[in-house]
Amino acid sequence: AQSVTQLGSHVSVSEGALVLLRCNYSSSVPPYLFWYVQYPNQGLQLLLKYTTGATLVKGINGFEAEFKKSETSFHLTKPSAHMSDAAEYFCALSSYNTDKLIFGTGTRLQVFP
Amino acid sequence: ETGVTQSPTHLIKTRGQQVTLRCSSQSGHNTVSWYQQALGQGPQFIFQYYREEENGRGNFPPRFSGLQFPNYSSELNVNALELDDSALYLCASSIRQGNNSPLHFGNGTRLTVT
Repeated sequence: AQSVTQLGSHVSVSEGALVLLRCNYSSSVPPYLFWYVQYPNQGLQLLLKYTTGATLVKGINGFEAEFKKSETSFHLTKPSAHMSDAAEYFCALSSYNTDKLIFGTGTRLQVFP
Repeated sequence: ETGVTQSPTHLIKTRGQQVTLRCSSQSGHNTVSWYQQALGQGPQFIFQYYREEENGRGNFPPRFSGLQFPNYSSELNVNALELDDSALYLCASSIRQGNNSPLHFGNGTRLTVT
C-alpha cells in the first residue's frame, strides 16, 4: 500500500528564514511525488512534481524539493520565507499507472514578520 | 482559459438528506476526479470519471455516486447524509494522457451536515 507522512502539522518561521517542510512516503512501485499549496477557502495549487529524471525539482514561488529514494523522502524547501507563503502545504503520491493522488495530512506554515 | 468551477460554494444539510454537488471542468479537460477533505486532514480520493464512466474509486460507500456529462462536467451525489460527511469536497479535472496528467483543482464545496 502507498502512504504519505508529513512530519509536523504546524511549522513557524520568520520572514526571510529557510522553509523546510518534511514529507516521507511508502510505495511498492516507483513513486510520482507532488507538493500542493492550499490558501484559505481555496482549492489546491500544484507547486512542483517529481516523476522521473532529475531528483532536484524546482517549482513555482521559489520552492524546490529533492527526491531521495534511499531516505524515501521528498522534503520541500524555500531559502527565504515571505509572508505570502503562509498556507497549508500537502505532499501527495501517485505512480506511473494512475493519476489518483494519496495525500498527507498537511503542514500549516506560519510566517512571522 | 476557464478554470475548474464548483457549485455551490457552501451548503448546509440535515442528516439523512441527499445532496448534489456540481463541477465544471477546465476547458479541454476530459477527466474529473472528486476528493473529500475533512477538517484538518488531507484530501481523500472518492472516484474519477472519464468518458462518462467511473474509472477508479476510493474507499467510499455506494451512497457516494457520480455522473459525468458529455461536456465533461460532473456531479457528486451523496445519499443518506451522515454527520461525518461534513467536509470540503474538491473537484479536479485533467487531460487524460495516460501517465499522470496534472490535476487542476476547483475551490471546493463546503458541506455541513447537522
